[in-house]
Amino acid sequence: DTAVSQTPKYLVTQMGNDKSIKCEQNLGHDTMYWYKQDSKKFLKIMFSYNNKELIINETVPNRFSPKSPDKAHLNLHINSLELGDSAVYFCASSQRLAGGPDEQFFGPGTRLTVL
Amino acid sequence: AQSVTQLDSQVPVFEEAPVELRCNYSSSVSVYLFWYVQYPNQGLQLLLKYLSGSTLVESINGFEAEFNKSQTSFHLRKPSVHISDTAEYFCAVSRTGGGNKLTFGTGTQLKVEL
Repeated sequence: DTAVSQTPKYLVTQMGNDKSIKCEQNLGHDTMYWYKQDSKKFLKIMFSYNNKELIINETVPNRFSPKSPDKAHLNLHINSLELGDSAVYFCASSQRLAGGPDEQFFGPGTRLTVL
Repeated sequence: AQSVTQLDSQVPVFEEAPVELRCNYSSSVSVYLFWYVQYPNQGLQLLLKYLSGSTLVESINGFEAEFNKSQTSFHLRKPSVHISDTAEYFCAVSRTGGGNKLTFGTGTQLKVEL
């Protein structure tokens, strides 16, 4: 049983296209995240949603738009793709707990290649 | 704001040898500390974490890390590595008292050789 799943696993597309990456978690968590890992393996948070509400929005171009239809899903839509968007995108989820940080569970990643 | 430095981008080591992966952090507030492991073509998995209490924390597969507040370090160690430990290791911090934003280091590639 996959805890955090992402589709597609690989995505190759042309510059200027619009694409979406989907994420689903079956852990019953209330918080979900999107991270970007660049070619040097540097990992940076992009967005976080708690109960479908945006709570973290890092400095990300507005071509990136997350959408959370329900607590179990957090999709990432990217408009007008650029070469620099090529990266591995990771979805993660966690359950908010009082008094400490949550353990974040990561999906397998989506490798996006923009040509 | 917090930052994490992992000075070693790659650490080659022979099987059954000890290893230490270094992590230093910078923060003006108290932090929680984490080590995540990423096996090839997989997502990240939490290896161990320091929240409070004993400064030495251990994982189920033989890794340990020690929080050193004076040196702002959280180095990861294992006395005897196995081929299966080959992976990318990320140190991360989040500030205490609110929010779950993880700030990651740039990662250390541990390559275990026969």
